[in-house]
Amino acid sequence: AQTVTQSQPEMSVQEAETVTLSCTYDTSESDYYLFWYKQPPSRQMILVIRQEAYKQQNATENRFSVNFQKAAKSFSLKISDSQLGDAAMYFCAYRKTQGGSEKLVFGKGTKLTVNP
Amino acid sequence: SQTIHQWPATLVQPVGSPLSLECTVEGTSNPNLYWYRQAAGRGLQLLFYSVGIGQISSEVPQNLSASRPQDRQFILSSKKLLLSDSGFYLCAWTLQGRMSLPLHFGNGTRLTVT
Repeated sequence: AQTVTQSQPEMSVQEAETVTLSCTYDTSESDYYLFWYKQPPSRQMILVIRQEAYKQQNATENRFSVNFQKAAKSFSLKISDSQLGDAAMYFCAYRKTQGGSEKLVFGKGTKLTVNP
Repeated sequence: SQTIHQWPATLVQPVGSPLSLECTVEGTSNPNLYWYRQAAGRGLQLLFYSVGIGQISSEVPQNLSASRPQDRQFILSSKKLLLSDSGFYLCAWTLQGRMSLPLHFGNGTRLTVT
């Protein structure tokens, strides 16, 4: 079974600084999708960024970018120029493309605090 | 555009009472539907998912059940709640067969079993 591990339960960053959140996953598949979701205090789940495993280029969305290392099964999220509104729980998630699986498997999350 | 509605937003129920949480999606047909639970300080645990009417896959043996009586309606139920059923419940949908697409979540239901 696929598993997603986020080894940092909590992280903090100063406003305007850069922070990297770690995520590793376990799979025997060669093609799959990876996602980062943000859950602010409102608890609404918001998609931050996604990455297709067969694409070597790292995905970017404005201040958010990923470092995707397929061989190491690592998918870290980098937040640049951190803002107070970035404070939230961040969840890494995995979804395989084959085998008819419709599931999205989540890690346990990292709580990010942004200090002014 | 597609929207997902989930209710109630909060619920306080005594142990042993029944439960019914409802989720509906608008603006799409034949979506995949999901129920996740988020316990305090933990990640999202997939409880059930459905790829069509009457088709329910259960991920974790538990005190809960799910049903999909209509294409865009997903219901989470329990006959007798346990204290351990407390948590934050999220309904989500995505287009079927489109693995690249993310899940879209409702606003969640905070359930407290007393």
